[in-house]
Amino acid sequence: DAGVTQSPTHLIKTRGQQVTLRCSPKSGHDTVSWYQQALGQGPQFIFQYYEEEERQRGNFPDRFSGHQFPNYSSELNVNALLLGDSALYLCASSLARTDGYTFGSGTRLTVV
Amino acid sequence: GENVEQHPSTLSVQEGDSAVIKCTYSDSASNYFPWYKQELGKRPQLIIDIRSNVGEKKDQRIAVTLNKTAKHFSLHITETQPEDSAVYFCAASSNDYKLSFGAGTTVTVRA
Repeated sequence: DAGVTQSPTHLIKTRGQQVTLRCSPKSGHDTVSWYQQALGQGPQFIFQYYEEEERQRGNFPDRFSGHQFPNYSSELNVNALLLGDSALYLCASSLARTDGYTFGSGTRLTVV
Repeated sequence: GENVEQHPSTLSVQEGDSAVIKCTYSDSASNYFPWYKQELGKRPQLIIDIRSNVGEKKDQRIAVTLNKTAKHFSLHITETQPEDSAVYFCAASSNDYKLSFGAGTTVTVRA
């Protein structure tokens, strides 16, 4: 079963650098949402992509940006990394912006 | 925006006993309430969900109840087993399809 695939699994970056995280949705899904999960907390919604456009955005600064490709895969970009950006970044896919989400295993980002 | 509060933050139960986790939400437009289980280092996995037109839903040892008037919903796990030990998250969403999560409950089942 082709579930949600995220890469890389772990990443260490230095403050001020930029990072790109990638997500391939579950087969048959066309909507991708990104969440940030800080240690010991619940996931926080970053944004959602559908039909290659950002449809919803949470309370995150413009340093966080994304993209969705014609094959429905998605990237999350974070510029000017801060120590506080250290977290598990989760990708979730669904069909046609419905709420049947499937989560990926996440990318653990550490900013030093 | 939606605000979801979850209690308790930690829960320790004896194997075979029941566990109850409670959540409240603020947005009356919320109409979908999933529960996720997250084991250490793994992805959140949907264990049960309920929609606003239903008051209760059960799946084997797991049940969820929803009180729309009071804006709260609860997860009930009966006959707990060691493999139920994990972090559980409640969430809520409306027609914008973005999930607002609670802070999580760490459940420990003592053998």
